[in-house]
Amino acid sequence: AQSVTQLDSQVPVFEEAPVELRCNYSSSVSVYLFWYVQYPNQGLQLLLKYLSGSTLVKGINGFEAEFNKSQTSFHLRKPSVHISDTAEYFCAVKHSSASKIIFGSGTRLSIRP
Amino acid sequence: DTGVSQDPRHKITKRGQNVTFRCDPISEHNRLYWYRQTLGQGPEFLTYFQNEAQLEKSRLLSDRFSAERPKGSFSTLEIQRTEQGDSAMYLCASSLRTGPNTGELFFGEGSRLTVL
Repeated sequence: AQSVTQLDSQVPVFEEAPVELRCNYSSSVSVYLFWYVQYPNQGLQLLLKYLSGSTLVKGINGFEAEFNKSQTSFHLRKPSVHISDTAEYFCAVKHSSASKIIFGSGTRLSIRP
Repeated sequence: DTGVSQDPRHKITKRGQNVTFRCDPISEHNRLYWYRQTLGQGPEFLTYFQNEAQLEKSRLLSDRFSAERPKGSFSTLEIQRTEQGDSAMYLCASSLRTGPNTGELFFGEGSRLTVL
């Protein structure tokens, strides 16, 4: 069975500092990986996804993530965060031949000025 | 607006009452999903449809929960005899089965249920 672990429930960082949000998944088969973002009082929206090909994936708002098959990780990074990045971030996994997407418990990113 | 819409956005009900939520997906999307999200947690999968067929249901979905998608367009999620533990945000999402956006879910803003 697939599962997703987001080790950090909250990550506080200063504005313009770099950030990494960690995500590990467990699956014995080929998977697709996603990061979704949920801004306050808004619905979830896709930040980026890995389906195949290059292991470094670039998304919206300057975020990127790297797929590491040997470590079963898909960590999200941004070199310099902005106040507007304050949100909850969810890592998600999908078996390549299945339909449902399994979400992690989320990481709340709070930006300090 | 051609996004996913959900109705009502908020519902407060008394324990034991029935509630129904509606989801209108993006028109060309053939897959529709229901998730439940509680405070501090990620979305939990409940069920999904491909066109009008309900292809998978989570074990989380007790027999008090039923979902339909007549004609493969909008969907309804009904909860009978609500319990306080049903209080949550119910999220609907839609997607395409194939194409460049494979696997990407487009979410509505959710329907928040409070059971008193």
